[in-house]
Amino acid sequence: NAGVTQTPKFQVLKTGQSMTLQCAQDMNHEYMSWYRQDPGMGLRLIHYSVGAGITDQGEVPNGYNVSRSTTEDFPLRLLSAAPSQTSVYFCASSKWDGNTEAFFGQGTRLTVV
Amino acid sequence: KNEVEQSPQNLTAQEGEFITINCSYSVGISALHWLQQHPGGGIVSLFMLSSGKKKHGRLIATINIQEKHSSLHITASHPRDSAVYICAVRKNTGNQFYFGTGTSLTVIP
Repeated sequence: NAGVTQTPKFQVLKTGQSMTLQCAQDMNHEYMSWYRQDPGMGLRLIHYSVGAGITDQGEVPNGYNVSRSTTEDFPLRLLSAAPSQTSVYFCASSKWDGNTEAFFGQGTRLTVV
Repeated sequence: KNEVEQSPQNLTAQEGEFITINCSYSVGISALHWLQQHPGGGIVSLFMLSSGKKKHGRLIATINIQEKHSSLHITASHPRDSAVYICAVRKNTGNQFYFGTGTSLTVIP
C-alpha cells in the first residue's frame, strides 16, 4: 500500500514550458485534489475530482488543467508555465465520505524562471 | 475572509514545555484535521476529529463543535516536534478542504 505517490519532487521550468505533475493513489479513493502552497498562505485548491471522468475547478484554477481517466491517477498539467506558478504543489486523496482521513503526496517544489 | 484561522502563526518553546495551537473555523464541517509538515517535507495527518478529544502519544486534539474551535496540545515538547502544524476542515457541503495558514513551531533544546 503506497498511499499517494507524487512526482517529480523538484522541477525547474522556463517560462512558457509545459509539464505534468503526476499523482497516483492505490487506496481506491474517490476524492482527489491538487493544492498549491505559498508562503504566508494556506493550501489553496487548484482542481479536484470526485471520481473517474469528473473534475471541477477550485479556488485558483487558471493556468492548470486536470483529467481523471482512472480512479488511481489525477495528473496536473501546467499549460504554459509562468513565474507566478512557482510554488510547492501537493496532491491529496480521500474517500468521498467527509468523515475520513486525507492522505497527501510528498509535494513538488516547482520553480519557473 | 479565511474559513480557517490559526493562532499563533509562530511559536518558540523550550524543550519540555506544554504547547497549545488554536484553530477556529467559520463553516459547517464534517471533520477537522490536524496536519504536520516538517521543513521541506510532505504533509502527514495527525488527527481527524468530528467531536470530543483524541490522544496519540504526547499529542492531544480537542474540538468544540458548538464554538467552532479546536486545539492541538503537545505535552513535554521535544525538538523533533519542530514543524508546521496545519488545521484543515472538510466542509459538510461539497466535501472540500479548507486550510489554515499553519503554525510554525520551534522547540529549543
